[in-house]
Amino acid sequence: TQLLEQSPQFLSIQEGENLTVYCNSSSVFSSLQWYRQEPGEGPVLLVTVVTGGEVKKLKRLTFQFGDARKDSSLHITAAQPGDTGLYLCAGFLNAGGTSYGKLTFGQGTILTVHP
Amino acid sequence: EAGVTQSPTHLIKTRGQQATLRCSPISGHTSVYWYQQALGLGLQFLLWYDEGEERNRGNFPPRFSGRQFPNYSSELNVNALELEDSALYLCASSRSPGTASYYGYTFGSGTRLTVV
Repeated sequence: TQLLEQSPQFLSIQEGENLTVYCNSSSVFSSLQWYRQEPGEGPVLLVTVVTGGEVKKLKRLTFQFGDARKDSSLHITAAQPGDTGLYLCAGFLNAGGTSYGKLTFGQGTILTVHP
Repeated sequence: EAGVTQSPTHLIKTRGQQATLRCSPISGHTSVYWYQQALGLGLQFLLWYDEGEERNRGNFPPRFSGRQFPNYSSELNVNALELEDSALYLCASSRSPGTASYYGYTFGSGTRLTVV
């Protein structure tokens, strides 16, 4: 069972369309991050959200952290072919023990934007 | 500033052999993390080292081990390789455990391990 459930797993859209990727959990996270990974490269951090209800914007990308800090979404407006890649949500659990210092990743969303 | 560097970029091993993967963190970063990524999807946490000590490990068998050197570089060893160990192994670093929760990890480009 995945601690962070991402949906959809695959997304294929045309240039100019809008899309939303969801990241859900039954656990509370102290912070949640979104990364983007391109083929042959490691993931690159896009944003960190730490406060319940927080909304951050990065150009055409809007990130939201749920009020209860258990879920997050990534919305892309007017997608472009350059947005193509693997999008990963990841979070630090609001707990110690075996979760200490461990960034837990969702299974990722492969986005393809066609010209 | 040099990023996180990993070597080798590709490694082909035979089942039963041992593999050693290396990682150099960003200068000033003391924490090093290892992840396994299979099938180009989600990352599975393997190991975390900070200040030369193993701080946490994921749900992997003991044949996955590693260490961190005084210069904060790290190596991951995988013994008795199995076919399902074939994956991209990613190393990441952060300045300290506390900063990672906001500033995130900086990842290397990974080592592609293929077990035949």
